[in-house]
Amino acid sequence: QKEVEQDPGPLSVPEGAIVSLNCTYSNSAFQYFMWYRQYSRKGPELLMYTYSSGNKEDGRFTAQVDKSSKYISLFIRDSQPSDSATYLCAMITSGAGSYQLTFGKGTKLSVIP
Amino acid sequence: DTEVTQTPKHLVMGMTNKKSLKCEQHMGHRAMYWYKQKAKKPPELMFVYSYEKLSINESVPSRFSPECPNSSLLNLHLHALQPEDSALYLCASSQSGTPEQFFGPGTRLTVL
Repeated sequence: QKEVEQDPGPLSVPEGAIVSLNCTYSNSAFQYFMWYRQYSRKGPELLMYTYSSGNKEDGRFTAQVDKSSKYISLFIRDSQPSDSATYLCAMITSGAGSYQLTFGKGTKLSVIP
Repeated sequence: DTEVTQTPKHLVMGMTNKKSLKCEQHMGHRAMYWYKQKAKKPPELMFVYSYEKLSINESVPSRFSPECPNSSLLNLHLHALQPEDSALYLCASSQSGTPEQFFGPGTRLTVL
């Protein structure tokens, strides 16, 4: 079993839809939970991160963490064609002055106008 | 300056060549990272430098040799690569004590 599981999709939704992206994890040592967005042939861009169970909102994006179920989600409201990208969840452990990211496989999202 | 820059954007090299990838950041971050990303796969950690010292090497073959000349620069020296090493090589940096890693745009490497 991989440490981080993420459905690779692809996921195709109409413009304006609410999108739900999810990851599960098995390692209880993960301390931080992040969502990155990656456009084709570009580097990942950090969207949000959190370290506790609960919700965190930033504009149209809401990150949700449930540590008891080892489950995280990213919700995108009023999705736009510009949201079309691959979304990567990432979990973090720390040590030796740095943080190690373990990525999920990524979910490819297409928002259709 | 809030970005990580990487040069070159694209690199094509033969299996006998020696080349280097360069990464630079001026955000005062003291941790810098090299990742490798194959098509349709997530990034995989290769090396971590913390305060200019190599702290993590994820069992990367010796044909990849990292170097951190100062706190702003990170190099990846390449020698005798194989075609399966063709990938997007990403550099990232993070502030000491925070988990946020900021990625550069990557260097797309093709080994012939």
